[in-house]
Amino acid sequence: DIQMTQSPSSLPASLGDRVTITCRASQDIGNYLRWFQQKPGKSPRLMIYGATNLAAGVPSRFSGSRSGSDYSLTINSLESEDMAIYYCLQHNEYNTFGAGTKLELK
Amino acid sequence: EVQLVESGGGLVQPGASLKLSCVASGFTFSDYWMSWVRQTPGKTMEWIGDIKYDGSYTNYAPSLKNRFTISRDNAKSTLYLQMSNVRSEDTATYYCTREGSYYWGQGVMVTVSS
Repeated sequence: DIQMTQSPSSLPASLGDRVTITCRASQDIGNYLRWFQQKPGKSPRLMIYGATNLAAGVPSRFSGSRSGSDYSLTINSLESEDMAIYYCLQHNEYNTFGAGTKLELK
Repeated sequence: EVQLVESGGGLVQPGASLKLSCVASGFTFSDYWMSWVRQTPGKTMEWIGDIKYDGSYTNYAPSLKNRFTISRDNAKSTLYLQMSNVRSEDTATYYCTREGSYYWGQGVMVTVSS
């Protein structure tokens, strides 16, 4: 089974900060990696697909990147509406979610 | 407008069976793979499985394959999740999603407790 190790689990940050969340895949998943944002009481929202592609309607301050087996979600100039839990998902072999990162105001 | 609406959740006793439904609208249901995903109260996300657009093929998370069955009725634009021999650890919010993960239902809560 492919494991996705997501870090950090909690990320305190200030408005205007640049933050990065990372998922490491235990096996090669190519670019079959998605990032989701979830706010309290809401369904997950697709933010990034294909590791680096912005989903429709997602602000340009969000970006995705890959370095080997490490996949990152970066948010530039953090806004209050970005406070949420973020999950990665690999869909190369079955589907596996990361454990989630709670982004909160410092 | 694409809509996915889950139903069928509630309180169920351990060992019982339960069938969830997801009614789709706003797109041609029979053109898309569909999936079920669940989220525990502790916010852990788990993919359950998916089904091919024509219903001819299914994939399941290995840990759930023996107890969960995904099916669909394209004439009714409806996706199903049959859960059997439920356990306390199946307590979660269950979501249906369309191929590509852009569209999600609002989720339906299942609580397994005696």
